[in-house]
Amino acid sequence: GAVVSQHPSWVICKSGTSVKIECRSLDFQATTMFWYRQFPKQSLMLMATSNEGSKATYEQGVEKDKFLINHASLTLSTLTVTSAHPEDSSFYICSAKVSGPIYEQFFGPGTRLTVL
Amino acid sequence: AQSVTQLGSHVSVSEGALVLLRCNYSSSVPPYLFWYVQYPNQGLQLLLKYTTGATLVKGINGFEAEFKKSETSFHLTKPSAHMSDAAEYFCAVSVHTGGFKTIFGAGTRLFVKA
Repeated sequence: GAVVSQHPSWVICKSGTSVKIECRSLDFQATTMFWYRQFPKQSLMLMATSNEGSKATYEQGVEKDKFLINHASLTLSTLTVTSAHPEDSSFYICSAKVSGPIYEQFFGPGTRLTVL
Repeated sequence: AQSVTQLGSHVSVSEGALVLLRCNYSSSVPPYLFWYVQYPNQGLQLLLKYTTGATLVKGINGFEAEFKKSETSFHLTKPSAHMSDAAEYFCAVSVHTGGFKTIFGAGTRLFVKA
C-alpha cells in the first residue's frame, strides 16, 4: 500500500514550452501533497505544499507563476513548469501524506526534466 | 526553526564492515526523524522512522538508528554492509507547527567496496 506514482518519469522539452507533471496516490487519499526539486548530487528542496481544494503554499524563492500547482482531487496533484528554461532542468519529486497526525509521507519515483 | 546536518557527504566501507551514517538535528519542537535511501534516478524509500516511544528504531534491510535527545542525534547503523547498500542516504526531520513540513539533510553517499 501507500504507492505514489509520477508521470512522466522523464521529459525533454524545448525552451519556452510548458511541461505538466502528474503525481498520483494510487491506493490512498492524500489530503496533502508536496513538490520537491533535486539538483544533481544535492538534497531535496521543498518547492510547495498543496492541500486538496486549496491554493498551494510556496516556499520562499519559488516563483508561483512559473511553477503552477493544482491539487484538484484527493489522489492527484499536478506541477506545471511554465515557459521552461534550461535552468529549470532538474529532478522533480512529489510526495503525499494522509490527513491527521501521521508524520510519514510517501514519495513518488521522480520526474527528470531536461529543457533544451 | 528546524535543520538537519549530515556529517560526511561521502562514506566508504568494505563489504561486511559496520556502516555508520551520522545525523544531527535541531528542532524547537519534538521532532519526528526519518532516514531515507535513494538509488540513482529514483524516489526516496523510507528506511526507518522515529516518532515516539522506543529510541532505538529498527528499519528495513538490517538498518537501525537511535534517537539521542541529549545529543540531538539520529545516527544510522548497519552491522554488516552489502554491496546493494551503496546509495544516497538522507536524514530528515518533520514537524507539525501550523502545517506539516519536512527538512532534509544534504545527504550522504555510501560506497561499499568489495
